[in-house]
Amino acid sequence: GENVEQHPSTLSVQEGDSAVIKCTYSDSASNYFPWYKQELGKGPQLIIDIRSNVGEKKDQRIAVTLNKTAKHFSLHITETQPEDSAVYFCAAKGNQFYFGTGTSLTVIP
Amino acid sequence: DAGITQSPRHKVTETGTPVTLRCHQTENHRYMYWYRQDPGHGLRLIHYSYGVKDTDKGEVSDGYSVSRSKTEDFLLTLESATSSQTSVYFCAISEHSGQGRDTEAFFGQGTRLTVV
Repeated sequence: GENVEQHPSTLSVQEGDSAVIKCTYSDSASNYFPWYKQELGKGPQLIIDIRSNVGEKKDQRIAVTLNKTAKHFSLHITETQPEDSAVYFCAAKGNQFYFGTGTSLTVIP
Repeated sequence: DAGITQSPRHKVTETGTPVTLRCHQTENHRYMYWYRQDPGHGLRLIHYSYGVKDTDKGEVSDGYSVSRSKTEDFLLTLESATSSQTSVYFCAISEHSGQGRDTEAFFGQGTRLTVV
């Protein structure tokens, strides 16, 4: 089955700086890559996604890039704000959703 | 927010007892999933369903069973709870699962289960 690895597991940045989270996947059949944000005590919520026929997608301060050849995809958050502090999960979907182990992001005011 | 309700939200149970968690959706989505979330492991798939009475195992299915008798309900049963099943359980739903038609998984609020 699919194996999704996510790094780093924890990340602290100063408010206004950028944050980057990286994921790799193993199954070349995976074709959909969502990113989720999970706040304390809540279920994960989608923040951005990308399909395998697209290399980059941007939504305001959030962007995702995908390198199909290398099986890498990354989340970029610019101009970070304290409310960006949460746990972020990447996922790869072929037949099922496979999730990374999560990155705990702390934005320091 | 997608219409997903998990019940109960919290439960404490004793080792060896059966436990059933319920997931109810109002979105009429075809796919339903049960995940468990543990520190250092992220979200791991227990079982999923692709239609009424159609279910399959995920990567951590041992000790769990599921049933889906109606589109809107997906039940997860721990036949004989063990301390290793202490976790937060999330139900998720999605609409499509095919080439170029995949959509996001929507998650419920989670059920915190403690087995003592």
